[in-house]
Amino acid sequence: DTEVTQTPKHLVMGMTNKKSLKCEQHMGHRAMYWYKQKAKKPPELMFVYSYEKLSINESVPSRFSPECPNSSLLNLHLHALQPEDSALYLCASSQEWGAHGGETQYFGPGTRLLVL
Amino acid sequence: KNQVEQSPQSLIILEGKNCTLQCNYTVSPFSNLRWYKQDTGRGPVSLTIMTFSENTKSNGRYTATLDADTKQSSLHITASQLSDSASYICVVSARQSNFGNEKLTFGTGTRLTIIP
Repeated sequence: DTEVTQTPKHLVMGMTNKKSLKCEQHMGHRAMYWYKQKAKKPPELMFVYSYEKLSINESVPSRFSPECPNSSLLNLHLHALQPEDSALYLCASSQEWGAHGGETQYFGPGTRLLVL
Repeated sequence: KNQVEQSPQSLIILEGKNCTLQCNYTVSPFSNLRWYKQDTGRGPVSLTIMTFSENTKSNGRYTATLDADTKQSSLHITASQLSDSASYICVVSARQSNFGNEKLTFGTGTRLTIIP
């Protein structure tokens, strides 16, 4: 199983809503990532979890709150988002984070988020 | 400042033809270089990863080259197929040491369209 799954596929939310994005992998990977991608732009790293601990937060606003309940799951809790937060949110995983030689990151299909 | 530039921005070729995509980078200290394929609205899929000591790597009809001296990489696609239509993203990894944090810099991608 070399798949990273993400739910939901699409999400529409108002600026006062609270919602969560979910990501799951069963490849035994110990590193998981959240990226944000705007149209026609490359993905931008938001968070890195390594061995279930937050290792990198790329100065992401606090209205995005990541959570790693266990080694297979990664959540992104959303609260009081702005319309400019509308984007494709990608989850990825890799065997390790930052191993010498580079680790292939396996990406999920993404959640298309629209904030009204 | 670490940067990854890709060219051309977009490319249209006939099915069955070959093409080459370019990636120039100013990332230091260099750790590895990756090429990803991203279909519209989907997550990126890894094609190749190359370290400093590798100058070519193939994955089916995709062949990536790396010249670490000139800081250039290319992705050559042979006998293109309609399914090759996608964005191709060059990603360069920087890391201070064998055990330091890894920092990925994404290029803006080349949008490839294959027409029958």
